[in-house]
Amino acid sequence: SQQGEEDPQALSIQEGENATMNCSYKTSINNLQWYRQNSGRGLVHLILIRSNEREKHSGRLRVTLDTSKKSSSLLITASRAADTASYFCATFHYGGSQGNLIFGKGTKLSVKP
Amino acid sequence: ETGVTQTPRHLVMGMTNKKSLKCEQHLGHNAMYWYKQSAKKPLELMFVYSLEERVENNSVPSRFSPECPNSSHLFLHLHTLQPEDSALYLCASSQVRGRYHAYEQYFGPGTRLTVT
Repeated sequence: SQQGEEDPQALSIQEGENATMNCSYKTSINNLQWYRQNSGRGLVHLILIRSNEREKHSGRLRVTLDTSKKSSSLLITASRAADTASYFCATFHYGGSQGNLIFGKGTKLSVKP
Repeated sequence: ETGVTQTPRHLVMGMTNKKSLKCEQHLGHNAMYWYKQSAKKPLELMFVYSLEERVENNSVPSRFSPECPNSSHLFLHLHTLQPEDSALYLCASSQVRGRYHAYEQYFGPGTRLTVT
């Protein structure tokens, strides 16, 4: 399976600190995406990084991709209480899983005020 | 309305009931999806409709039946469900290029289903 596995499963930090979440996958990919889900709600797309990219930024988000290690990380800088949510990585691979995204189990982030 | 909407937001049904979940996307996308989200399990893709073609996950029981009358609407018909079917059911849409669903998906808020 090329399913992404997030690490850690849960993370608790203080407001203002940085939060780092990791995602590992098993087979080569074409792109990797990060999503956020507030409790009991739908997922919101955050950022997409292609296999030929190593780093992308979007506001306070920084995503890195290391295809040699088959891993990605999501860094949220200067976290806020509103960042409290679950974060999922999703991988895409042409020819795998009928050409669909495969989601991991997620990292639950808690940011304390 | 903008984005992806789902109704109802909450549903409690008995095992002998028949109900339907509705999803509508207002984004002009050409692909729609049903996902099941259970506690401590990865998001499970149930059904995909893309360019009027249905791609079905073989492990989805027949008590779940999708319907896509047009590119903006998606239904999930439910009948004789089991308690283990209780979960958050999420609908999503995206813009597909070719046959690959490579790009970002936009999710609705979900329907919290409880089967008693």
